[in-house]
Amino acid sequence: DTGVSQDPRHKITKRGQNVTFRCDPISEHNRLYWYRQTLGQGPEFLTYFQNEAQLEKSRLLSDRFSAERPKGSFSTLEIQRTEQGDSAMYLCASSLAGADNEQFFGPGTRLTVL
Amino acid sequence: SQQGEEDPQALSIQEGENATMNCSYKTSINNLQWYRQNSGRGLVHLILIRSNEREKHSGRLRVTLDTSKKSSSLLITASRAADTASYFCATETGANNLFFGTGTRLTVIP
Repeated sequence: DTGVSQDPRHKITKRGQNVTFRCDPISEHNRLYWYRQTLGQGPEFLTYFQNEAQLEKSRLLSDRFSAERPKGSFSTLEIQRTEQGDSAMYLCASSLAGADNEQFFGPGTRLTVL
Repeated sequence: SQQGEEDPQALSIQEGENATMNCSYKTSINNLQWYRQNSGRGLVHLILIRSNEREKHSGRLRVTLDTSKKSSSLLITASRAADTASYFCATETGANNLFFGTGTRLTVIP
């Protein structure tokens, strides 16, 4: 499968715990995005990488959230001290710079904070 | 706040009928993209229309764009039960990310 993959697909955690999600983009794509989607809403942008550089962060991304893309390939999104309001689907997408920003999405990681 | 808004929020049709969904947005765009999302899954890219295009076709899909009205429509012809999903429009404004609407939930009854 050469699409975008995310791991894990589901995560249940207790409030206050830290969680980390991984995204593997399409191999030739140099751009990687994280979005958050809550029930009944469209995805909301969190952050964006071009290669290994994090170029933009949404104000939705509080201090408890951190994302990395150390080698310009896979990316991780960590949430520290999780809160119930963090429960959502976290989507990763990748694209090729200059290609109309047509983004290809992974299956998402569904986070439930108890 | 999200850039786009889809209308209607929910649509239920019989198999074989056509389904039309509308999207309105607020600012200038480079392109507008439509995505489909099956329940609890990731988004699948359907079609992209650039700001200098007015209509585009892909299989059973037809997209129109009216930049003067800041609106787009997605038409699915001869719908199938497998078309049941949520449909989102997303605008590309040059801000390096997409702005999604709240989606239209389409149900196609066999």
